[in-house]
Amino acid sequence: GDSVTQMEGPVTLSEEAFLTINCTYTATGYPSLFWYVQYPGEGLQLLLKATKADDKGSNKGFEATYRKETTSFHLEKGSVQVSDSAVYFCALPTYSGGSNYKLTFGKGTLLTVNP
Amino acid sequence: NAGVTQTPKFRVLKTGQSMTLLCAQDMNHEYMYWYRQDPGMGLRLIHYSVGEGTTAKGEVPDGYNVSRLKKQNFLLGLESAAPSQTSVYFCASSRQGHLNGDTQYFGPGTRLTVL
Repeated sequence: GDSVTQMEGPVTLSEEAFLTINCTYTATGYPSLFWYVQYPGEGLQLLLKATKADDKGSNKGFEATYRKETTSFHLEKGSVQVSDSAVYFCALPTYSGGSNYKLTFGKGTLLTVNP
Repeated sequence: NAGVTQTPKFRVLKTGQSMTLLCAQDMNHEYMYWYRQDPGMGLRLIHYSVGEGTTAKGEVPDGYNVSRLKKQNFLLGLESAAPSQTSVYFCASSRQGHLNGDTQYFGPGTRLTVL
């Protein structure tokens, strides 16, 4: 079935370092791809998304490009801040017939940024 | 708009007790979801609903029941709580479901401990 695999971490970086969190997917067709972020003590919120191949999603300095050739959607940021410390989830929509659409999430990657 | 709210925020149960978690959304969304989040397991879908009066099983439905009597509310019940149900529970909603992916909006979570 459709799935996402992301690097599990944890990832620890110093402020202003470059960030990459890898995400690869298995899907029939070409669904949209998402990155969600969960700040400490909160629920998840959408960080960015891409709806078709070669699309680049971006938000808050984060970027991810939908790569059909490598079935990847890696999250990057050029210069992380302490406030970026959170858990990051890659996700894709899956369909199982009728009106049954849902999101399948990766296991999450904990990012800690030290000053 | 309050978005997605969850009641209660924290709860401690003894094994065998029952309880109901309430999720409410004020965005007129069709789809609602219940997830549980455990360390190292990411988010796992328990049950979901594609509209008022409908429910469907997710990845880990055993030991839980749900009801969607009103469009804005989605209730998660534990009939006989077990220590394995100690977790953080998140409710989410989305306007609709499709492979282009509608953004899911998450509540702040309910931390449940079963002794």
